[in-house]
Amino acid sequence: DVKVTQSSRYLVKRTGEKVFLECVQDMDHENMFWYRQDPGLGLRLIYFSYDVKMKEKGDIPEGYSVSREKKERFSLILESASTNQTSMYLCASTPMRWTGAHEQYFGPGTRLTVT
Amino acid sequence: AQTVTQSQPEMSVQEAETVTLSCTYDTSESDYYLFWYKQPPSRQMILVIRQEAYKQQNATENRFSVNFQKAAKSFSLKISDSQLGDAAMYFCAYRRDYGQNFVFGPGTRLSVLP
Repeated sequence: DVKVTQSSRYLVKRTGEKVFLECVQDMDHENMFWYRQDPGLGLRLIYFSYDVKMKEKGDIPEGYSVSREKKERFSLILESASTNQTSMYLCASTPMRWTGAHEQYFGPGTRLTVT
Repeated sequence: AQTVTQSQPEMSVQEAETVTLSCTYDTSESDYYLFWYKQPPSRQMILVIRQEAYKQQNATENRFSVNFQKAAKSFSLKISDSQLGDAAMYFCAYRRDYGQNFVFGPGTRLSVLP
């Protein structure tokens, strides 16, 4: 059974703290994604990685950075958390295939509250 | 840039009835893929059904089927014989051929009434 796991389901942090969200997949997928989910806005892509140490900015990268040192692990970093980063964060992975209706596999999500 | 629109923020259906969720998208590509994902309350997002744009036949998965209208850029999801477990957020998503990124709609929250 394929699995994407995220380090925390719920997280409460203070403004200005450095926050790490971890994601691990066991499917040997090349691609990994970080999304932010807010009501009425759907899923917005923060960053995308297609290989170890490779990353690409998504639609809303400001205030975030990422790290991918190993193929199975993709970390999202909030350098200095702010209240407007309170949200649900979803990690996902896919194999590197250029064509075909392959799906994204999602983690359970981390609900982050910044106070 | 591609966009995905779901015009119904919330919908409800009686148990055992049929409901249709709407999705439209904007793209200039001819080859692409469309997906419906389900996110139950406090649970993981899972794939419900997928459709290749080059296929004219509408996809079906048990009680779930789609109405894919390529010219109209419409991709609606029909849920037949609705069950309480169908209550969830439903997201429509798009991915172009030779692309790696997915574009998601804002979601429709479906309630199933007993």
